[in-house]
Amino acid sequence: SSELTQDPAVSVALGQTVRITCQGDSLRSFFASWYQQKPGQAPVLVIYGKNNRPSGIPDRLSGSSSGNTASLTITGTQAEDEADYYCNSRDSSGNRVFGGGTKLTVL
Amino acid sequence: EVQLVESGGDFVQPGRSLRLSCAASGFSFDDHAMHWVRQAPGKGLEWVSGIGWNSASVTYADSVKGRFTISRDSAKNSLYLQMNSLRPEDTALYFCAQYTATYDAFDIWGQGTMVTVSS
Repeated sequence: SSELTQDPAVSVALGQTVRITCQGDSLRSFFASWYQQKPGQAPVLVIYGKNNRPSGIPDRLSGSSSGNTASLTITGTQAEDEADYYCNSRDSSGNRVFGGGTKLTVL
Repeated sequence: EVQLVESGGDFVQPGRSLRLSCAASGFSFDDHAMHWVRQAPGKGLEWVSGIGWNSASVTYADSVKGRFTISRDSAKNSLYLQMNSLRPEDTALYFCAQYTATYDAFDIWGQGTMVTVSS
């Protein structure tokens, strides 16, 4: 079982704001990174650190953290944001661990 | 162009071995730790193993410890995963990923190579 917990599925209306969360004890000490994966494609890093986006990632995606919870927020959600989203951090042994993933549906 | 290309995936019987490779190009391979991440069909991402830039540090998920060995060859800009005593639950798409310490994240991913373990 994953030490990072995500809701399996979230839906959002086109143009609205959605928050995807990731919970785990390690998040009290380490930032999460977030990955977007579309069907048949490799994951893509979308958020790292406190709230940083790699080049090419739209600024409607943002990250935040509070206590044991990291969040990925998409403001003004577009159809192309429909994807699976995974958080990543460390487990109690210091190894890397992924959350179970959240399937985002844009209505 | 920054690129990671995996190879070596195959259909194998339980108990057999397989060696995956990941060829890196377009960036300084020696400057980065590298990792393997897998994804079983229809499932989420699972971290498998990581190796430091100079091979001094290697780590494994409990699910593969003692069966898999990660290594790298700087002269060939390549990452490897030796997989022994394969089990049906090892069936997955295996990705290699570059870890960038300043990001504390996996910022470059390959397209993956499929491993199927079945009798």
